[in-house]
Amino acid sequence: EDQVTQSPEALRLQEGESSSLNCSYTVSGLRGLFWYRQDPGKGPEFLFTLYSAGEEKEKERLKATLTKKESFLHITAPKPEDSATYLCAVPSLSNAGGTSYGKLTFGQGTILTVHP
Amino acid sequence: DARVTQTPRHKVTEMGQEVTMRCQPILGHNTVFWYRQTMMQGLELLAYFRNRAPLDDSGMPKDRFSAEMPDATLATLKIQPSEPRDSAVYFCASGLGLAGYTGELFFGEGSRLTVL
Repeated sequence: EDQVTQSPEALRLQEGESSSLNCSYTVSGLRGLFWYRQDPGKGPEFLFTLYSAGEEKEKERLKATLTKKESFLHITAPKPEDSATYLCAVPSLSNAGGTSYGKLTFGQGTILTVHP
Repeated sequence: DARVTQTPRHKVTEMGQEVTMRCQPILGHNTVFWYRQTMMQGLELLAYFRNRAPLDDSGMPKDRFSAEMPDATLATLKIQPSEPRDSAVYFCASGLGLAGYTGELFFGEGSRLTVL
């Protein structure tokens, strides 16, 4: 069974203080790793997809990287508006009646708080 | 501005009552997911539809939960009878056919259910 573990559970930063969030996974054949942002009272918002080790994606102050065992979400010079819960997920290959599909397993998330 | 619409946003009910949650996926999306989010379990997949057909409902308690897509613009999740342990936030998400592989799911704002 695929497993996704995120650390730390919570992270408090001062504005401008760069840091990284970790997502480690145990899957039978990685088919991608996804990052989402979730604001309080909202649904998750898709950020990135990474498919292979060494791949990197960037969006504003966020950069996601992938190795064979884990992914990092680097936050450079964060601002208070970056405060949110960050979730990662991996797809498991499943099949139903001859139709294959990706079934996502989510980590528990990291709650990021950036203080001004 | 295309978005997934869920109703109701909040529901408080008593144990044993029927609860129906509705979701309007983004126009043109043919993949619909129902997730449940709790502090203890995080995001759990309840049901997965593609082209209105259920591909996976293994995460749903079959004796009390049911999910349907009467047409391409409406997905429903029904709980009958409801129990206090069903209290959670229920999210609907939609995407294009390969969303389970690309991670590009668009989530609604959720229906917060409290069963007393």
